[in-house]
Amino acid sequence: ETGVTQSPTHLIKTRGQQVTLRCSSQSGHNTVSWYQQALGQGPQFIFQYYREEENGRGNFPPRFSGLQFPNYSSELNVNALELDDSALYLCASSLPYTDTQYFGPGTRLTVL
Amino acid sequence: DQQVKQNSPSLSVQEGRISILNCDYTNSMFDYFLWYKKYPAEGPTFLISISSIKDKNEDGRFTVFLNKSAKHLSLHIVPSQPGDSAVYFCAASATTGGFKTIFGAGTRLFVKA
Repeated sequence: ETGVTQSPTHLIKTRGQQVTLRCSSQSGHNTVSWYQQALGQGPQFIFQYYREEENGRGNFPPRFSGLQFPNYSSELNVNALELDDSALYLCASSLPYTDTQYFGPGTRLTVL
Repeated sequence: DQQVKQNSPSLSVQEGRISILNCDYTNSMFDYFLWYKKYPAEGPTFLISISSIKDKNEDGRFTVFLNKSAKHLSLHIVPSQPGDSAVYFCAASATTGGFKTIFGAGTRLFVKA
């Protein structure tokens, strides 16, 4: 059984640029959630995708957007990067309507 | 607005002794609670959970206690082992909240050999 994978592992961008982060869900999981974890804090919910539709969103501006593909993999896109977007971005997959999530190792984004 | 709070940033315990990690929440709509463990350079890993209809759930060395009236839960690890050294996150969700999970800031546990 393949776990959740994320790419890239690390990324450095400059303010104002755009970034795309990728996630492959665990086999059989059709629900993907994205989280932002700033230093010293817990993961903050960005949004969740179920069957290619956004299924809930946290308190993040519209410049954070996502996609889910038919194979349940997902992308997180962030436009107009700001310094405060520097964080670890975690992807988690789960079975629908369950609370237990399986996390990938994360993508460390640094915005200069 | 921090709906899930872990007020102890770190905890140090001797190997073989009990580790008690605490978590408080403010939203009375939360009806499912989870603990995740995180090692460096890895994503959080699910550890144990409890539904609001229970006040205790046990899995091997790990037990979670829920006190709904106090809006408080705790994770007990007995006996603690050096491999338990990690960051522990408390998390909560509400069935009516579309399964949006709210995490606490985490407690770093050090188990000394």
